[in-house]
Amino acid sequence: QSALTQPPSASGSPGQSVTISCTGTRSDVGGFNYVSWYQHHPGKAPKLMIYEVTKRPSGVPDRFSGSKSGNTASLTVSGLQAEDEADYYCSSYAGSNTLVFGGGTKLTVL
Amino acid sequence: QVQLVQSGSELKKPGASVKLSCKASGYTFTSYGMNWVRQAPGQGLEWMGWINTNTGNPTYVQGFTGRFVFSLDTSVSTAYLQISSLKADDTAVYYCARGILGVLPDYWGQGTLVTVSS
Repeated sequence: QSALTQPPSASGSPGQSVTISCTGTRSDVGGFNYVSWYQHHPGKAPKLMIYEVTKRPSGVPDRFSGSKSGNTASLTVSGLQAEDEADYYCSSYAGSNTLVFGGGTKLTVL
Repeated sequence: QVQLVQSGSELKKPGASVKLSCKASGYTFTSYGMNWVRQAPGQGLEWMGWINTNTGNPTYVQGFTGRFVFSLDTSVSTAYLQISSLKADDTAVYYCARGILGVLPDYWGQGTLVTVSS
């Protein structure tokens, strides 16, 4: 069970859009529509931003959106704001009641 | 509202054991699984496994077998993670996270820092 692949870093200026990818295999990302994205500010609890590939929990701004194509899922943050600067992690169901996380992406708002 | 409140930081010597707690409130404890996630210093999130809060059956990921034990006290809506024979490599923040369909985390605890040092 290998970690999903995310770019270590991403950046954008306020107001711009940035997309973070999450690549797995057909045994995880490609095989199930159970990809989630979490925002993690250091020292705080991770926060669920996207679940089931495209769904946003109540209270998450619609600037955050998710998608998937084949074995790669993506998180897009539109209209970047300073408060969006954080670490972002994807996760995917991997069958047999197991889960796998991505390595995380540090998003910097320039 | 859903809350997961974890126990405080721990400083332990190598070889010792530690038992962390995660108290849930704001929902029916046995309707969701409980996941455990580790974050070592400077590293990402690593899924350790989960425990079925209905049956008490735990599932451990490779690398977290043997010294790691998930348990429950459903009477107080609390999950526990016990780590024995602590090593320096166990130094990390440990999170509990409620799991939809068992293993899909939604709400997370604030984390417990475990430091293993002589």
